[in-house]
Amino acid sequence: GESVGLHLPTLSVQEGDNSIINCAYSNSASDYFIWYKQESGKGPQFIIDIRSNMDKRQGQRVTVLLNKTVKHLSLQIAATQPGDSAVYFCAEMRDTGRRALTFGSGTRLQVQP
Amino acid sequence: EPEVTQTPSHQVTQMGQEVILRCVPISNHLYFYWYRQILGQKVEFLVSFYNNEISEKSEIFDDQFSVERPDGSNFTLKIRSTKLEDSAMYFCASGGENIQYFGAGTRLSVL
Repeated sequence: GESVGLHLPTLSVQEGDNSIINCAYSNSASDYFIWYKQESGKGPQFIIDIRSNMDKRQGQRVTVLLNKTVKHLSLQIAATQPGDSAVYFCAEMRDTGRRALTFGSGTRLQVQP
Repeated sequence: EPEVTQTPSHQVTQMGQEVILRCVPISNHLYFYWYRQILGQKVEFLVSFYNNEISEKSEIFDDQFSVERPDGSNFTLKIRSTKLEDSAMYFCASGGENIQYFGAGTRLSVL
């Protein structure tokens, strides 16, 4: 069946370190992936996206890597800051007419000062 | 920066009552969505709306749910007869071709 899941439920890092959050997906038909950040009491906030024809995309302090061979997605956050503490979700979408996002179960990132 | 706004932030209702959750999407977006998140669980897709009609819905979106875009700005989710298990955060989202931008959500508590 279709699933998008996360390897680690909680990740604790020191301020200034780099963080890597992982996501596995099983739907090989997925064409588009998004990482969202959700802070307590708020809605999911868009971070970065990537299409299946790419293997890497960079934003400000964030990089998303896509390995289609093993159906794996990761989010790298450089120089993690206390404000990065949140739950991070990967989500996938089939670009072929379906726009519903399927969300993973989330990873909580805790940044220690 | 434009954002999706949702009202109310918290809605308390009695089981069996009807509720309407309201959303104002980002003004130039064409696609509108409702998702829900039961406490401690994943965000789940409910329905998408495009060109004044439902374009896709999940199995959660049964006959007790309906959506409407009554004017050029609002997008509503109605739950006809609420059940205890409808208690959740309900998120509205809007977007262009791909990226979906989410509102802060409405917490629905069914007593």
